[in-house]
Amino acid sequence: DVVLTQTPPTLSATIGQSVSISCRSSQSLLHSNGNTYLHWLLQRPGQSPQLLIYLVSRLESGVPNRFSGSGSGTDFTLKISGVEAEDLGVYYCVQGTHAPPTFGGGTKLELK
Amino acid sequence: QVNLLQSGAALVKPGASVKLSCKASGYTFTDYYIHWVKQSHGKSLEWIGYINPNSGYTNYNEKFKSKATLTVDKSTNTAYMELSRLTSEDSATYYCTRSYTEWGQGTLVTVSS
Repeated sequence: DVVLTQTPPTLSATIGQSVSISCRSSQSLLHSNGNTYLHWLLQRPGQSPQLLIYLVSRLESGVPNRFSGSGSGTDFTLKISGVEAEDLGVYYCVQGTHAPPTFGGGTKLELK
Repeated sequence: QVNLLQSGAALVKPGASVKLSCKASGYTFTDYYIHWVKQSHGKSLEWIGYINPNSGYTNYNEKFKSKATLTVDKSTNTAYMELSRLTSEDSATYYCTRSYTEWGQGTLVTVSS
């Protein structure tokens, strides 16, 4: 199975600070059809995960544009440009290029 | 709006089975796959499998092939996951999701005698 390694495991930030989370894959996530099935989820405390970014960089409807995704191949990044209190929680990357889909270990975003 | 409503928490004995439900509303049920995801306490997420509600076709993670059985009832727009021969390792929260865009609220399964 594809292993997704997220760093850092924990991130402390102040409100308004910009932060980045890395997701590295054990295999290229470029599908033979040209798509890269790498997505980002946020799980707020006590809630279900929600989709933030799909296909590396596409913003899910309703998600604030302070979230952005980038990357290719095996290296991907989620950036939050100006953390807000509602952004706290655990961020996961997930890949769907190779069966079975797999998730990263998560990055917990906390307030400093 | 799209909603996935899951069944309530379950306390089950080791060796028993449990059937979880996920009732969909707000969209055409047969147009989207339903995936199931496991989250052990305080841990990351594991993909269990998906079902095509239109055809009933299923695709499982090898790890869960002998553990989980996915079905649907198109008449009630409900997806089900049955977990069999439960052990303490199966204690977790289980989510249904419509291809990660919409998620149920999760069902906590506790396996204990």
